[in-house]
Amino acid sequence: DGGITQSPKYLFRKEGQNVTLSCEQNLNHDAMYWYRQDPGQGLRLIYYSQIVNDFQKGDIAEGYSVSREKKESFPLTVTSAQKNPTAFYLCASSDSGAPRIFGPGTRLTVL
Amino acid sequence: DAKTTQPTSMDCAEGRAANLPCNHSTISGNEYVYWYRQIHSQGPQYIIHGLKNNETNEMASLIITEDRKSSTLILPHATLRDTAVYYCIVRVAGTDSWGKLQFGAGTQVVVTP
Repeated sequence: DGGITQSPKYLFRKEGQNVTLSCEQNLNHDAMYWYRQDPGQGLRLIYYSQIVNDFQKGDIAEGYSVSREKKESFPLTVTSAQKNPTAFYLCASSDSGAPRIFGPGTRLTVL
Repeated sequence: DAKTTQPTSMDCAEGRAANLPCNHSTISGNEYVYWYRQIHSQGPQYIIHGLKNNETNEMASLIITEDRKSSTLILPHATLRDTAVYYCIVRVAGTDSWGKLQFGAGTQVVVTP
């Protein structure tokens, strides 16, 4: 079955460490997105990519970095520059326009 | 971008229709209305979208008023599994327009037995 895989489901990180969240899709979608969700809040866009080797910042890109070397993969790195990284991170993809399929999410906790 | 307004929460009895309102009075002519939902601790799920005609799929129906300033998502026979936060979003079509999209707080729908 086609879908999005995010790993790990839970991630713990010490302050000052970089950590990379995985997002893989087998839907052959061109566009991929990373969102952050804080408790009781809606989703906020971190980065998005419309095509391989290209990506754009969302409204809260500071402290994060991404790469899009392959169509099916869009990893997100949370760097030590992100001051409040504890959150639920969601990856999504679409063939065009609106994000259609979301992954199950990764819950990141900074210790 | 057009702003949307949704009630914070609503309850619905199992088996009854759930009617979820959304106001988008500043919507532009080329903006679509999209609905998503998010069950607790899971990723969001796309439900339906429309421009000006009413739309129906296996999950729900979308009714858009003639002036397009508001819409209603209808879950015809609510089940306990429909308990979720429902998001109404207005956006033009095309991937680039979603680059700055924020999902708001949505409506918390609780379906009770």
